[in-house]
Amino acid sequence: EDQVTQSPEALRLQEGESSSLNCSYTVSGLRGLFWYRQDPGKGPEFLFTLYSAGEEKEKERLKATLTKKESFLHITAPKPEDSATYLCAVQAGMSNFGNEKLTFGTGTRLTIIP
Amino acid sequence: DAGITQSPRHKVTETGTPVTLRCHQTENHRYMYWYRQDPGHGLRLIHYSYGVKDTDKGEVSDGYSVSRSKTEDFLLTLESATSSQTSVYFCAIRDSQETQYFGPGTRLLVL
Repeated sequence: EDQVTQSPEALRLQEGESSSLNCSYTVSGLRGLFWYRQDPGKGPEFLFTLYSAGEEKEKERLKATLTKKESFLHITAPKPEDSATYLCAVQAGMSNFGNEKLTFGTGTRLTIIP
Repeated sequence: DAGITQSPRHKVTETGTPVTLRCHQTENHRYMYWYRQDPGHGLRLIHYSYGVKDTDKGEVSDGYSVSRSKTEDFLLTLESATSSQTSVYFCAIRDSQETQYFGPGTRLLVL
């Protein structure tokens, strides 16, 4: 069974204080790892897809990296507007539903204090 | 925006009442999904569709049915709502890169 564990559950940072969010996964053949941002009362917003170990993607203050067992979302010099819940999901190459199913973690709630 | 709308956005209903949620896309994508989101659980797949009239079950499909008569619309029906189906429901579409984009969600309260 595919599993995704995100840590920490919640993280409070001062504005400008860099940190990393972790997503550990077990999956039967990784097809893709996805990062989403979710603001309260809204749907998840797509950030990145990573496909293979060693891959990195960047967007503004965010950088996502991938190893064979985990992914990190690094946030550099965060601003209050980066406050949100960040979700990680994996898509298996082989699953009961073919390649349609995403398995989500429960997210990290990030708060940036001005 | 990914061109996905959901209706209604909020609904309060009573146990035993049938409820239908609608997802509408303007992107002409083949794949559409229904998820529910509950505290302590990640987003969980209820049903998905891979084309008009082509649907399949997800991991939490009991008590739910779906229909897709047009590419742009994917309906989720709770045949007889129960309190355990109180949740936030999200629709998603998948593009050619296999990235899923989510709608704004429907908050459902079953009393």
